Amino acid sequence: GAVVSQHPSRVICKSGTSVKIECRSLDFQATTMFWYRQFPKQSLMLMATSNEGSKATYEQGVEKDKFLINHASLTLSTLTVTSAHPEDSSFYICSARDPPNAEAFFGQGTRLTVV
Amino acid sequence: GENVEQHPSTLSVQEGDSAVIKCTYSDSASNYFPWYKQELGKRPQLIIDIRSNVGEKKDQRIAVTLNKTAKHFSLHITETQPEDSAVYFCAALSSYNTDKLIFGTGTRLQVFP
Repeated sequence: GAVVSQHPSRVICKSGTSVKIECRSLDFQATTMFWYRQFPKQSLMLMATSNEGSKATYEQGVEKDKFLINHASLTLSTLTVTSAHPEDSSFYICSARDPPNAEAFFGQGTRLTVV
Repeated sequence: GENVEQHPSTLSVQEGDSAVIKCTYSDSASNYFPWYKQELGKRPQLIIDIRSNVGEKKDQRIAVTLNKTAKHFSLHITETQPEDSAVYFCAALSSYNTDKLIFGTGTRLQVFP
């Protein structure tokens, strides 16, 4: 199946700093990618839909100025957590669908810890 | 808005028994329903999916059934094994603007030897 690669897998940062997470589709082109956040023992909560060449679509309650998404190419989307705080600590995971099958492939996830 | 409900939240079974997880969805135009298995700290992995033009699909010990009229679908695992222990998520593909997946809340399955 298709491969989605996400980096880094783990990151620890200080409060107030920014962290960038990359999501790449390795063997297919993805005009749309999705960013999720997952708290321990909870479900995947969609944060935003990343659209190649245009602005991301954010879910209700997600601060677009805090979670910056850039989808500059058909194989790369980035999520930047700006001015990170301890409550931003979570597991962030991206996914992309390989059309026309609609199957979604997930990246490895990034465990962010803000200290 | 779009919503997917999943039950039960936890499920414990003895090795060899069957496990059933149920989901209901709100978007009547949804036409694709995948199931994912997620082990601790790892990415979700697709285990089976079903489209709205069929009512049942089976892959070895795993099967999924879909009732479009009632807007619910179920995952059936037979002859469970300890390695089946994980969190399982159902999802429904939204028919609205972005074709996004809406996930259920997850079921933590524990299979005891």
